[in-house]
Amino acid sequence: NAGVTQTPKFRILKIGQSMTLQCTQDMNHNYMYWYRQDPGMGLKLIYYSVGAGITDKGEVPNGYNVSRSTTEDFPLRLELAAPSQTSVYFCASSYGREGNEQFFGPGTRLTVL
Amino acid sequence: GQNIDQPTEMTATEGAIVQINCTYQTSGFNGLFWYQQHAGEAPTFLSYNVLDGLEEKGRFSSFLSRSKGYSYLLLKELQMKDSASYLCAVMDSNYQLIWGAGTKLIIKP
Repeated sequence: NAGVTQTPKFRILKIGQSMTLQCTQDMNHNYMYWYRQDPGMGLKLIYYSVGAGITDKGEVPNGYNVSRSTTEDFPLRLELAAPSQTSVYFCASSYGREGNEQFFGPGTRLTVL
Repeated sequence: GQNIDQPTEMTATEGAIVQINCTYQTSGFNGLFWYQQHAGEAPTFLSYNVLDGLEEKGRFSSFLSRSKGYSYLLLKELQMKDSASYLCAVMDSNYQLIWGAGTKLIIKP
């Protein structure tokens, strides 16, 4: 069981470039999440999905898009990168919602210059 | 607004006991989680409380008082490997986790 995997680990983007952060889980979890973590602040939910084909916005969705075509994969797309998107991005998954722990991937450290 | 408060940093001695507090104000409550996060790594689950009282798991215990909007994480017999950030998170009425900024715990020999 690899758990939750994310690629890439690190990336530097120029302002205005686009990229996709990949996330895959092999635990057959229905729920998947994308968070960003900035220094001195709590994790912020960007988007989440309750199953294949279903996605919904979290607290900070602007500038991002997601898709969920399979149970395993939940990619996060950044269009027109901005310096404010410099952050560490974590993908997570859980079996259910209430009372279920979330399992996190190793994170992607993104810098936008 | 929704708010989770926890101390920014705490220092403790190896072998001692430390209590990390968390207070919260959220729209609805569907449980409180504690996670551990070592520097440069992902958060990992420690504990879950949904009813008032103490949950014990080895050297770690977590307490919840829903009426006071308060929880604490108790770490006993501290080891150097316990140096990490401890994140408090509350599941709100929309079943989304609201996260505190984390408490950085420094363990000294």
